[in-house]
Amino acid sequence: SYVLTQPPSVSVAPGQTARITCGGNNIGSKSVHWYQQKPGQAPVLVVYDDSDRPSGIPERFSGSNSGNTATLTISRVEAGDEADYYCQVWDSSSDPNYVFGTGTKVTVL
Amino acid sequence: QVQLVQSGAEVKKPGSSVKVSCKASGGTFSSYTISWVRQAPGQGLEWMGRIIPILGIANYAQKFQGRVTITADKSTSTAYMELSSLRSEDTAVYYCAREVPAAIGYYFDYWGQGTLVTVSS
Repeated sequence: SYVLTQPPSVSVAPGQTARITCGGNNIGSKSVHWYQQKPGQAPVLVVYDDSDRPSGIPERFSGSNSGNTATLTISRVEAGDEADYYCQVWDSSSDPNYVFGTGTKVTVL
Repeated sequence: QVQLVQSGAEVKKPGSSVKVSCKASGGTFSSYTISWVRQAPGQGLEWMGRIIPILGIANYAQKFQGRVTITADKSTSTAYMELSSLRSEDTAVYYCAREVPAAIGYYFDYWGQGTLVTVSS
């Protein structure tokens, strides 16, 4: 089945840029979606279809996807961005079809 | 604005079953697809299955085939997930989520608040 690999943790100072990668075989051919999850809360969609933002999500959140790596970029990081982040794709040949990444804990220093 | 409200926490004995509900408001329930995703303590997200209420068709991850049943009641805009033969490894927070079409495949735009199911003797 399809595997999505994320770094376990990313640390960033306030005001700086955080980049979270999501690696998968030829992931550039898929649509990648990103979720933010704060402790004790449900996931929240922050980016869909590689780089689109739902309404209400700040422009500081952006995404890209090419080759074997998708990236979620958080610009001008704030304390409130501290959370776990998960990438997700849909893969028709996998079971399950809905594949989540391993998750990345973003710590704001 | 779509809202998904789930039933409360459950404590179950090994070998028993649990049924979690997910009541939707906003939008047209029959046109949704509702998925169930679980998260064991300190772990990542795991997709279990989904239902298309308008068709009454459910699909399940192979891992849960035979143990999970997902249903929907259009009259009350409520989806249900029942997991049987519970074991300690099923201790997790269970989420329902609305699934929407992506450019390729699907993603989840609204999530329920989660239901903690604890399996313990």
